[in-house]
Amino acid sequence: AQSVTQPDIHITVSEGASLELRCNYSYGATPYLFWYVQSPGQGLQLLLKYFSGDTLVQGIKGFEAEFKRSQSSFNLRKPSVHWSDAAEYFCAVGARYGGSQGNLIFGKGTKLSVKP
Amino acid sequence: DGGITQSPKYLFRKEGQNVTLSCEQNLNHDAMYWYRQDPGQGLRLIYYSQIVNDFQKGDIAEGYSVSREKKESFPLTVTSAQKNPTAFYLCASSSSGTGGWEQYFGPGTRLTVT
Repeated sequence: AQSVTQPDIHITVSEGASLELRCNYSYGATPYLFWYVQSPGQGLQLLLKYFSGDTLVQGIKGFEAEFKRSQSSFNLRKPSVHWSDAAEYFCAVGARYGGSQGNLIFGKGTKLSVKP
Repeated sequence: DGGITQSPKYLFRKEGQNVTLSCEQNLNHDAMYWYRQDPGQGLRLIYYSQIVNDFQKGDIAEGYSVSREKKESFPLTVTSAQKNPTAFYLCASSSSGTGGWEQYFGPGTRLTVT
């Protein structure tokens, strides 16, 4: 069965420091992979996605992620974190569910805190 | 502006009452979804609908019901049979043009049942 693991429940980084959030997936075929961000009490916003091609994908707000098939990973990175990046981040894999419909399986999220 | 609206943002109900959460989208998306979010649990799929007048159960459909009479609307009813209904509920939609993978989310409804 498809699954997504985000090993870090909570991460704290200093403003201006680099960031890497980990995501590991389990899926039999080439996966479709996503990172979403959620501010407290809000919906989810898509940061970036990987469908195929270049394994390094760029997203909004200066985020990027790298797909590594050999490690079944899709880690999210940002070179310099801003205080406004404090939020919860969700990794998701696209999976077939009940036929041809594409549905997303989400990890449990990583909460990012930013120190001034 | 195109988007997904959910109302109300906060909802309070007494135990034993059914309650309906609204979800409307003007993105002309074919597919719509309902997720439940609990702290530390991520998002879990309740129901989804690919087209009007059709919907399928997700992973945690027990105690919930939906309808899809219009393309724009996908209301979720939390019935009295749902044993632990207090949660944050998120509605999403996607276009069949992207294979249904890229989902857009509404702002959510926080339901508290006492």
